[in-house]
Amino acid sequence: AQSVTQLDSQVPVFEEAPVELRCNYSSSVSVYLFWYVQYPNQGLQLLLKYLSGSTLVESINGFEAEFNKSQTSFHLRKPSVHISDTAEYFCAVSEKGTYKYIFGTGTRLKVLA
Amino acid sequence: NAGVTQTPKFQVLKTGQSMTLQCAQDMNHNSMYWYRQDPGMGLRLIYYSASEGTTDKGEVPNGYNVSRLNKREFSLRLESAAPSQTSVYFCASVETGSWSQYFGPGTRLLVL
Repeated sequence: AQSVTQLDSQVPVFEEAPVELRCNYSSSVSVYLFWYVQYPNQGLQLLLKYLSGSTLVESINGFEAEFNKSQTSFHLRKPSVHISDTAEYFCAVSEKGTYKYIFGTGTRLKVLA
Repeated sequence: NAGVTQTPKFQVLKTGQSMTLQCAQDMNHNSMYWYRQDPGMGLRLIYYSASEGTTDKGEVPNGYNVSRLNKREFSLRLESAAPSQTSVYFCASVETGSWSQYFGPGTRLLVL
């Protein structure tokens, strides 16, 4: 069965510093991978996704994630964070050929001035 | 486009009461989902509907039922609410071919 692990429940980081949010998944078949962001009292919004092709995917606001099949990881990175990046970030996986999505437990990113 | 809409936004129930959470999307998406979000547990899939006329159980279906009324609407019913069902409930739909999920604003449910 597929599963997603986000080991860091909270990550504090200073403004303009780099950040990495970790995501590992478990699946016996090929997968699609996603990062979603949730701002306080809102629903989730898609940040970026990997379906196929280039293993490095980018979002419009400077985040990137790299699919590493051998390590079953899809870590999210940003070279320089802003206060406005403070939010909760969720990694999700969907096995190809299914319509089922499994989410990790989330990582709260707190950007400090 | 309103996207994904959910009603009600807030609800307080007593143990044993029933209620239906409504979800609708106007994006012509085939697949729709119900999740619950609890602190420290992320989002857990309750039920999903891959297409109109089909529904399947997710990770935590016990205590819930769903109805895919038509392509636009997917409702979640609690027949006999329990305090353990206190949560924030999110509905989502998937853009066909892109696999991207679009989420509603959520329903905050408190069961006393």
